[in-house]
Amino acid sequence: AQSVSQHNHHVILSEAASLELGCNYSYGGTVNLFWYVQYPGQHLQLLLKYFSGDPLVKGIKGFEAEFIKSKFSFNLRKPSVQWSDTAEYFCAVTSGTYKYIFGTGTRLKVLA
Amino acid sequence: DVKVTQSSRYLVKRTGEKVFLECVQDMDHENMFWYRQDPGLGLRLIYFSYDVKMKEKGDIPEGYSVSREKKERFSLILESASTNQTSMYLCASALGGRGGGSPLHFGNGTRLTVT
Repeated sequence: AQSVSQHNHHVILSEAASLELGCNYSYGGTVNLFWYVQYPGQHLQLLLKYFSGDPLVKGIKGFEAEFIKSKFSFNLRKPSVQWSDTAEYFCAVTSGTYKYIFGTGTRLKVLA
Repeated sequence: DVKVTQSSRYLVKRTGEKVFLECVQDMDHENMFWYRQDPGLGLRLIYFSYDVKMKEKGDIPEGYSVSREKKERFSLILESASTNQTSMYLCASALGGRGGGSPLHFGNGTRLTVT
């Protein structure tokens, strides 16, 4: 069965620190990959997505993610986090079906 | 901008009650989904629908049913609510096609407490 692993459950950073959140999936075929973010009290919203082409994908608010097919990974990065990035981040994958598989999420807290 | 509206933000129900959670989207999306979100477990798919009157079970359909009589509306029904169904319920919609790869658009969620 397909699965998505987010190994960092809680991350605490100071403002201006660099961020990398890990995401690994288990599926050998063609995949569509997503990162969603949920700010406190708000709905889940799309941060960025990868369907095909350039494996380095840029999203909103300075986030980017790199698809490394050989490692089945789609890690999220940001060079310098802000207090307003405090949120929960979810990686998701779908593979040619209507079924989206989500990771368990990473709670990021950024200290001002 | 896509809007997915869930009828209630908070609900408190008693064990054994039949509970209806309603979701409406305004972008003519073919696909609609119900997830539950629990701390440490992420999002788990309950049911999804890819067309009117069409539905498929997700990973955790037990104790739930769904109804999609109109394209814009997708209802989740808890036939007999139990305390282990206390959770945050998220509705989402997405365009059809692309083999299911279109981004999901989420509602604000309904926090259901079953006592």
